[in-house]
Amino acid sequence: GAVVSQHPSWVICKSGTSVKIECRSLDFQATTMFWYRQFPKQSLMLMATSNEGSKATYEQGVEKDKFLINHASLTLSTLTVTSAHPEDSSFYICSARPSGGSQETQYFGPGTRLLVL
Amino acid sequence: GDSVTQMEGPVTLSEEAFLTINCTYTATGYPSLFWYVQYPGEGLQLLLKATKADDKGSNKGFEATYRKETTSFHLEKGSVQVSDSAVYFCALSVKAGTALIFGKGTTLSVSS
Repeated sequence: GAVVSQHPSWVICKSGTSVKIECRSLDFQATTMFWYRQFPKQSLMLMATSNEGSKATYEQGVEKDKFLINHASLTLSTLTVTSAHPEDSSFYICSARPSGGSQETQYFGPGTRLLVL
Repeated sequence: GDSVTQMEGPVTLSEEAFLTINCTYTATGYPSLFWYVQYPGEGLQLLLKATKADDKGSNKGFEATYRKETTSFHLEKGSVQVSDSAVYFCALSVKAGTALIFGKGTTLSVSS
């Protein structure tokens, strides 16, 4: 089946630094990728929708200058957490929708756990 | 707004026991409903889905029926296995192509 990878799977950083998380579709092209955030014992919350070649669409309450999203190719989207703070510690998950496939099909990455000290 | 509520876990069962994980939703219009499963260390995988009322989704022995009258999509399996141990997420999509709205997830632990 279709595979989505995320890198890194785990990252620990100091407060004030920036962290980049990559989301790759390994065997398909994805015009649209989604970025979610999950707090412990909470549901996945959509942060933004990333479309290849255009600006991401952010959900209400998500700071676009803090969570920079770049979808530069049909197989790669990146999420950069800028000037990270401890409250940004969370589990970040991406999903990718195959180009030309069913509108309802999404494949999820395994997630990236971020800990900001 | 649109939302999904699923039963709190963890759910602990013995092998071959019957499983039910409750899921109810609130949505405008006619959403599509999904169950995703996440095995340890892996990404979410689609388990089954239903796109209209009274549809039954099924896969790997799991079933769920889209009940519009009760706004529910409960997940069931007649006989669970140890390999079914995972986190199960109920989700909905109000419009094709848009992101999913998830429940909090229910952890299932099956012992032999």
